[in-house]
Amino acid sequence: AAGVIQSPRHLIKEKRETATLKCYPIPRHDTVYWYQQGPGQDPQFLISFYEKMQSDKGSIPDRFSAQQFSDYHSELNMSSLELGDSALYFCASSTGLAGGTQYFGPGTRLTVL
Amino acid sequence: GEDVEQSLFLSVREGDSSVINCTYTDSSSTYLYWYKQEPGAGLQLLTYIFSNMDMKQDQRLTVLLNKKDKHLSLRIADTQTGDSAIYFCAERPYGSGNTGKLIFGQGTTLQVKP
Repeated sequence: AAGVIQSPRHLIKEKRETATLKCYPIPRHDTVYWYQQGPGQDPQFLISFYEKMQSDKGSIPDRFSAQQFSDYHSELNMSSLELGDSALYFCASSTGLAGGTQYFGPGTRLTVL
Repeated sequence: GEDVEQSLFLSVREGDSSVINCTYTDSSSTYLYWYKQEPGAGLQLLTYIFSNMDMKQDQRLTVLLNKKDKHLSLRIADTQTGDSAIYFCAERPYGSGNTGKLIFGQGTTLQVKP
């Protein structure tokens, strides 16, 4: 069965650079969630989209923005990167506004030097 | 607000049963999930239960829910070395105004000794 696809899998950036993370949900899933997992920590909710509209917002810095496109894929844009942004970034997809079971992608490991 | 708590570490011998515990605070209807994360890998959904259920069994996995105490447990029967991983309990509040975000516990590291 098709799973959530994230790209790139690994990304190395310098401080103050920008990064774009991409997420391709499971086919026919209309909801996407982004989570950030710092080293040794639990995943923290960043932002979610349902039918291409932002549905919820968590602890996402103002330097970050995201959107969901007409084909339901989503991109997380991160600017003015800081050392503390180094983390695993997960995308999860599900169906419906209220959620439904979320299936996670393999994650993008971002390292900021 | 919602909060999910887990014990941080559990060590068992291969072949024994493992029991990983979790408590949550949300007072409304909620879905509760167990995810498994191997080192450097993604989150694999193991099983889930809705808060109107007491128990769910799926092969070697048994989930027990004590609604009164808001306590959730995951029992792994006949634990194998391949079960060594971090296990996350997560809550998804359900109902009007909820948009489905997951609230995770800190994760329990399960170490299985041969």
